[in-house]
Amino acid sequence: DQQVKQNSPSLSVQEGRISILNCDYTNSMFDYFLWYKKYPAEGPTFLISISSIKDKNEDGRFTVFLNKSAKHLSLHIVPSQPGDSAVYFCAASARFRGGSQGNLIFGKGTKLSVKP
Amino acid sequence: DAGVIQSPRHEVTEMGQEVTLRCKPISGHDYLFWYRQTMMRGLELLIYFNNNVPIDDSGMPEDRFSAKMPNASFSTLKIQPSEPRDSAVYFCASSRTDKNIQYFGAGTRLSVL
Repeated sequence: DQQVKQNSPSLSVQEGRISILNCDYTNSMFDYFLWYKKYPAEGPTFLISISSIKDKNEDGRFTVFLNKSAKHLSLHIVPSQPGDSAVYFCAASARFRGGSQGNLIFGKGTKLSVKP
Repeated sequence: DAGVIQSPRHEVTEMGQEVTLRCKPISGHDYLFWYRQTMMRGLELLIYFNNNVPIDDSGMPEDRFSAKMPNASFSTLKIQPSEPRDSAVYFCASSRTDKNIQYFGAGTRLSVL
């Protein structure tokens, strides 16, 4: 059973508008969440992360929101640009006792297309 | 700084042949991860190492798959014998203990005919 779900395989947005990508998780032990961006023929690249002690983290045009009670996070891109067109992966992890890092569990990705 | 380096970028082989994928992690990173990406299953973790020691290999699909990390700067993923269903993109990633962000290589696209 998928522990991290991205229910929208694709999203199309007009340049300059907001892109909202969603992610749901089931494991309440997850305490660290990341978004990765992937272009064709390249590896995923880290975009932004959030710890479970926060509900929002912002980096330039990118903001991640975390709703722990709903086990839901979202990535907002404002304003969207054609260069943002890529596949976006949500990932989650649970730190082991003692603070060492755990695996990242990835969603299946959402393909974002930003139209000029 | 050089990122994670994987070789080869593309591999085409025939069923039954041995395939070896290579990875050089980022210097100073003590975690190394091998992933496989397919359309059906997405990005799935195969195995990961901490300080060159395999920690969790529960994602390795079969005994045909094996991975080694002889030193901090090199790891291999071997498939022997290869089968058509092994065709996928294989990614290597590395990270540091104090920062749970994995950095990925460009991947190896494997085609088994």
